Amino acid sequence: KQEVTQIPAALSVPEGENLVLNCSFTDSAIYNLQWFRQDPGKGLTSLLLIQSSQREQTSGRLNASLDKSSGRSTLYIAASQPGDSATYLCAWPRIGSARQLTFGSGTQLTVLP
Amino acid sequence: NAGVTQTPKFRILKIGQSMTLQCTQDMNHNYMYWYRQDPGMGLKLIYYSVGAGITDKGEVPNGYNVSRSTTEDFPLRLELAAPSQTSVYFCASSSDRRNYGYTFGSGTRLTVV
Repeated sequence: KQEVTQIPAALSVPEGENLVLNCSFTDSAIYNLQWFRQDPGKGLTSLLLIQSSQREQTSGRLNASLDKSSGRSTLYIAASQPGDSATYLCAWPRIGSARQLTFGSGTQLTVLP
Repeated sequence: NAGVTQTPKFRILKIGQSMTLQCTQDMNHNYMYWYRQDPGMGLKLIYYSVGAGITDKGEVPNGYNVSRSTTEDFPLRLELAAPSQTSVYFCASSSDRRNYGYTFGSGTRLTVV
């Protein structure tokens, strides 16, 4: 069974700091990896999708990397803002399926003004 | 664009009651999914569908049923509701292109008392 570990579980930083969220997985046989954002009481918003052949993706202040050999993905947020406060989830398709995502338990981020 | 629409947003059920959670998408996606999210936990797959008339079980299917009579709709049926089914339910869809990402609905918060 794939295990998805996200560290830290919670993080509080002052506005303007750069930060890194970590996602570790135990199986390198993945098709892609997706980072999501979830605001309280809301659904999931896709932030970045990294295909298995890629090493990183960038969108604005967000940069996600993927290292299949070490089983790690990181989400880098530059110049954090209070509006970045949310829970961040990593996910990828389950073994034997290109479509069923396994999710981590998430990192709850609070950016203090 | 509506994306993935879920109804209702909130519902309280008594133990033993039944209900259907509705999900519809307007992106002509073949793949659709139902996930549940318990407090402080990641998402777990209940059922999924790869096209009209085709459904299959996910990680936690017990106590639920689904149908997929059209490409657009993927309702989730709860029979004989139990307190363990208190959760937030998310419907999602994806294109059948290999590295396409997911689109999620805003969720249904269900409480069984």
